[in-house]
Amino acid sequence: DIQMTQSPSSLSASVGDRVTITCRASQGISNYLAWYQQKPGKVPKVLIYSASTLQSGVPSRFSGSGSGTDFTLTISSLQPEDVATYYCQKYNSAPRTFGQGTKVEIK
Amino acid sequence: QVQLVQSGSELKKPGASVKVSCKASGYTFTNYAMNWVRQAPGQGLEWMGWINTDTGNPTYAQGFTGRFVFSLDTSVSTAFLQISSLKPEDTAVYYCARARMVATQDAWGQGTLVTVSS
Repeated sequence: DIQMTQSPSSLSASVGDRVTITCRASQGISNYLAWYQQKPGKVPKVLIYSASTLQSGVPSRFSGSGSGTDFTLTISSLQPEDVATYYCQKYNSAPRTFGQGTKVEIK
Repeated sequence: QVQLVQSGSELKKPGASVKVSCKASGYTFTNYAMNWVRQAPGQGLEWMGWINTDTGNPTYAQGFTGRFVFSLDTSVSTAFLQISSLKPEDTAVYYCARARMVATQDAWGQGTLVTVSS
């Protein structure tokens, strides 16, 4: 099975900072990669699909890039409401494995 | 609007069984597969598998075979997750989430907390 590895596992940044999270697949998955945001105590929400397509209603400070095995999620200007754990997930085939998550906090 | 409404929290003893429901509305139920995702306390998301709502064919991820069963009642647009021989380590929030076959999970249920404790 393809493994999904995220880094870092956690980060602390200041409001307004640019934040980058990476996700690496153990084999190529083309662009079948989604990013989810899960705020504390809440249901996960899809931010980006097809590696770089912003889900409707998601603020434009979120962006995604990559293809094959290496992907990134970027928050261009971190806001207090972005405190959450972020997960990548492959969905080209079963199993639709999640990364282990990246917890984002405000410094 | 699209909604997935799950059944309420459950407290079960080890060895018992539980059946979690996920009722869909606002879309054609059989046009989307239903995924199941587990989140143990303080842990990440684990994809458990999915069920093809058109054919009823389930697919289980490694680690979710044997005691875990996905089923459907298409007449009421509802998917079910049954877990038998419950263990304390099954304590988690279980989410249902719809997805087309090669697409993201774009709608999620609110989650069902299953607590297994003697």
